[in-house]
Amino acid sequence: DTAVSQTPKYLVTQMGNDKSIKCEQNLGHDTMYWYKQDSKKFLKIMFSYNNKELIINETVPNRFSPKSPDKAHLNLHINSLELGDSAVYFCASSQAGAGGANVLTFGAGSRLTVL
Amino acid sequence: AQSVAQPEDQVNVAEGNPLTVKCTYSVSGNPYLFWYVQYPNRGLQFLLKYITGDNLVKGSYGFEAEFNKSQTSFHLKKPSALVSDSALYFCAVRFSGGYNKLIFGAGTRLAVHP
Repeated sequence: DTAVSQTPKYLVTQMGNDKSIKCEQNLGHDTMYWYKQDSKKFLKIMFSYNNKELIINETVPNRFSPKSPDKAHLNLHINSLELGDSAVYFCASSQAGAGGANVLTFGAGSRLTVL
Repeated sequence: AQSVAQPEDQVNVAEGNPLTVKCTYSVSGNPYLFWYVQYPNRGLQFLLKYITGDNLVKGSYGFEAEFNKSQTSFHLKKPSALVSDSALYFCAVRFSGGYNKLIFGAGTRLAVHP
């Protein structure tokens, strides 16, 4: 019954590999996000999709490519992984509403370790 | 530039005592402010938000926050701390350019001692 679920929870891989993280929400929300949390716990937005349309694209290397096949899914593919990509990646979702101050529901995170 | 500052890396408080976790912000226009909590190995959970209206906002688990426009602050408070409140707390402000983009502070670790 998890509202926002991410897979895998842990991912250990070598530099140069390509990997994907998947996210699904069953809340009926129309907006989904990817956030990156570094080793110092600093949290920064990477991407956001609204009804499958990319609406936020922060200054992220183009090795990172989000894909939203439908509004319930937002996947993150990372090419040519680097040591600095090691972090916890959080998926989140929200529903647009009046006033625009929409509460985010976060997944449990995917810890990526690049060796 | 829009930003959020949480001046304390860690706050220590004894169980049963009141707690305050500080947050100041810088944003153009009217701020939309949030507090989230993160327990170990978990995602962030929403606690409360301020959009407009009463400056004192009540949220989950007995937490409240006071919006102070003149001091550009949005401090999180609880009258009586519990050991189970120990976690990482994030203040966030919504980017005024829209799209519900949240800018998070660096987080404050709250440690409540028995």
